[in-house]
Amino acid sequence: RKEVEQDPGPFNVPEGATVAFNCTYSNSASQSFFWYRQDCRKEPKLLMSVYSSGNEDGRFTAQLNRASQYISLLIRDSKLSDSATYLCVVKGGGTSYGKLTFGQGTILTVHP
Amino acid sequence: EAQVTQNPRYLITVTGKKLTVTCSQNMNHEYMSWYRQDPGLGLRQIYYSMNVEVTDKGDVPEGYKVSRKEKRNFPLILESPSPNQTSLYFCASLGTGTATNEKLFFGSGTQLSVL
Repeated sequence: RKEVEQDPGPFNVPEGATVAFNCTYSNSASQSFFWYRQDCRKEPKLLMSVYSSGNEDGRFTAQLNRASQYISLLIRDSKLSDSATYLCVVKGGGTSYGKLTFGQGTILTVHP
Repeated sequence: EAQVTQNPRYLITVTGKKLTVTCSQNMNHEYMSWYRQDPGLGLRQIYYSMNVEVTDKGDVPEGYKVSRKEKRNFPLILESPSPNQTSLYFCASLGTGTATNEKLFFGSGTQLSVL
């Protein structure tokens, strides 16, 4: 089992749609969780950190479920500019303390 | 401006010719790391460093070396590059004030081609 797994998609949605991505992780000692956005072959940029209580930033909502070991990202009212690859990132704990593992990314295309 | 500076942006070399990709950050971050990105495989961690003179292997360290002699710099060294090291490389540093403000800052990437 991969340490961090994402559905690679691609997800093709119309403008205004709501879309959700999930990401599972295998190390129960993992400490920190993030969602990053990457545009074609550019450096990834932080979209949001994921907190245990869940957090929201405008149209974006992130959730963490430690019991089931997954994180999720919900995008409401999708815009054309949301088209990108979304990466979940997990920072390890225990014997993997400090190790950052990326999911393979989920491709989102928002069309008119 | 807070940034991670990575050079060169593009590099074409031949098998066996030693090369170094430089990475420097101006945020006094303790944590720095290197990744390679390949189609269908996502970003994979090569090495990371949690402080000066402290380095650890990531998922794909074979064929790479790193050093962390000072906090701001974390060069990636390929002693004898091979074609399977052709990839897009990213350096990053991590701000770790608290769990709620951790953020990876990435360099702009280095596209390496080994012929």
